[in-house]
Amino acid sequence: AQKITQTQPGMFVQEKEAVTLDCTYDTSDPSYGLFWYKQPSSGEMIFLIYQGSYDQQNATEGRYSLNFQKARKSANLVISASQLGDSAMYFCAMRDRQAGTALIFGKGTTLSVSS
Amino acid sequence: DVKVTQSSRYLVKRTGEKVFLECVQDMDHENMFWYRQDPGLGLRLIYFSYDVKMKEKGDIPEGYSVSREKKERFSLILESASTNQTSMYLCASSLHRGVNTEAFFGQGTRLTVV
Repeated sequence: AQKITQTQPGMFVQEKEAVTLDCTYDTSDPSYGLFWYKQPSSGEMIFLIYQGSYDQQNATEGRYSLNFQKARKSANLVISASQLGDSAMYFCAMRDRQAGTALIFGKGTTLSVSS
Repeated sequence: DVKVTQSSRYLVKRTGEKVFLECVQDMDHENMFWYRQDPGLGLRLIYFSYDVKMKEKGDIPEGYSVSREKKERFSLILESASTNQTSMYLCASSLHRGVNTEAFFGQGTRLTVV
């Protein structure tokens, strides 16, 4: 069965430092997509970045990059130069053809950025 | 801009009440979803729909039903609310079934059952 694992319940980082949020996944489908979402305390889910299983390059979106290691089935989110506004819950998610249309989510990691 | 709107931000209901959570999207998306979010458990899929009048059970459908009479609207129904259904409920939609299709979320409904 499809599964997303986020092993870090909470992470702490100083402003301007880089931070890596871990995500491992499990699927037997060779075609899948990996997503990261940010959820601030206000509750809305904000899409950050996408990586396809056939993409040759790691995805980047501004200060966000995805460290995609296919053989290890990991899709870690790297946030460079952390800002106070990055404090939020972060969710890793996956969609494959077996899941149909639905995104499967991990349990999330709470990131706290301090000045 | 893409928009998914949930009818209520906060709801307080009594045990045994029938509760309707409404979700509307204005993007002509095929797929709509209801998730439940609890601390330490992440987002868990309750039901989803890939077309009007079509529905599929997710991981935790017990105690819930859904209705999709129009493409833009997906309702979650708690037939007889119980205290263990106190949670944050998130509605989402996506354009189609492709694995590269992101989901757009509503602002969430925080439901308290007393």
